[in-house]
Amino acid sequence: QVQLVQSGAEVRKPGASVRVSCKASGYSFTGYYMHWVRQAPGQGLEWMGWINPNTGDTNYAQKFQGRVTMTRDTSFSTAYLDLTRLRSDDTAVYYCATAPSSADFDFWGQGTMVTVSS
Amino acid sequence: DIQMTQSPSSLSASVGDRVTITCRASQGISNHLAWFQQKPGKAPKSLIYDASTLQSGVPSKFSGSGSGTDFTLTISSLQPEDFATYYCQQYSSYPRTFGQGTKVEVK
Repeated sequence: QVQLVQSGAEVRKPGASVRVSCKASGYSFTGYYMHWVRQAPGQGLEWMGWINPNTGDTNYAQKFQGRVTMTRDTSFSTAYLDLTRLRSDDTAVYYCATAPSSADFDFWGQGTMVTVSS
Repeated sequence: DIQMTQSPSSLSASVGDRVTITCRASQGISNHLAWFQQKPGKAPKSLIYDASTLQSGVPSKFSGSGSGTDFTLTISSLQPEDFATYYCQQYSSYPRTFGQGTKVEVK
């Protein structure tokens, strides 16, 4: 069965960077895009971008251009989200998600809480 | 960007009720629409994609319809485990966008 297991919660100060990982199992990691979506406390869902694990190609939401980098390590079937120059409004749960279907988000990781606070 | 607007933002219902949630896109998205259920502290769960195709394992009390700009999610007979927040999402173009959510609460 498809499983996406994310790294644990992180606390950072404003201006710092954070890396979140997402380890995939139960399917062909290089077969489907991996998306990242975040959710601020009490708020809705916000798409951040995707990476093609096969080629390494990426597509980022304009809002995050210049601050976000998505990478992958196919040897470990793991995708990574790096976010730099963190601000307090980056405090959110960050999810990875993928889809064998024609949609984007059939399967989700459990989420990683990132707290940005001085 | 395509704006997704859900209505209502919240609703109160009883076990056994039929519930309908509406999602409107700011421009046509064909049938490139998904619905998700989210419970507190949990990741969203995919219910429906391509506007009306049920994800594997999702009970048939959930159904979706619509095309173009107007879509609906219907729960035929609300059960205790269905009290949650529901989101629609378009995957017709980038950036991907979600509705603001509809919270289904106990009456």
